[in-house]
Amino acid sequence: SQTIHQWPATLVQPVGSPLSLECTVEGTSNPNLYWYRQAAGRGLQLLFYSVGIGQISSEVPQNLSASRPQDRQFILSSKKLLLSDSGFYLCAWGATGSGAQYFGPGTRLTVL
Amino acid sequence: RKEVEQDPGPFNVPEGATVAFNCTYSNSASQSFFWYRQDCRKEPKLLMSVYSSGNEDGRFTAQLNRASQYISLLIRDSKLSDSATYLCVVNSEAAGNKLTFGGGTRVLVKP
Repeated sequence: SQTIHQWPATLVQPVGSPLSLECTVEGTSNPNLYWYRQAAGRGLQLLFYSVGIGQISSEVPQNLSASRPQDRQFILSSKKLLLSDSGFYLCAWGATGSGAQYFGPGTRLTVL
Repeated sequence: RKEVEQDPGPFNVPEGATVAFNCTYSNSASQSFFWYRQDCRKEPKLLMSVYSSGNEDGRFTAQLNRASQYISLLIRDSKLSDSATYLCVVNSEAAGNKLTFGGGTRVLVKP
């Protein structure tokens, strides 16, 4: 069966520091991968998605970036965090052509 | 207008009662529809897909009305464990299979 991992679970970072969040998927090949952010009390906002290695589409302008160095690995990064980057970051995968997406446990990021 | 709109609630439901709520979507070209459940401070989890003919999964029934562009979820015999936020989800773009999430409807089941 497929599983999706994210780490770390929680993170507290100072403003201006770098960020690297990692997501890995097991049990499937060539998945579509997604990064979402959920601000406190808000809905999910799609940040990036990837349909293959090295292929990244950005949904919103921001100081975040994403990379997909391997088929089942998706990384979210920032060179300098802003206060507004605080939130719950969720990685998801979906099979090509299938509608549903499946989420990892998320990383709760607080920028101080 | 938001792409997917939901009543945020909360819907306060006595245990054992039935609760139903809708969501509306704006993209008439949407092809896939889902309900997800999200517990407090947890990731969303797929509850059920929504099919054109309507579908049922135990105590949960989902309906799709393409003409009026709304989706409904009905929960029968509510349990305390049904307390959660229910997210209405619509595929917004075939390329990359992008999904658009509603803001969620909060349901509180009380003894």
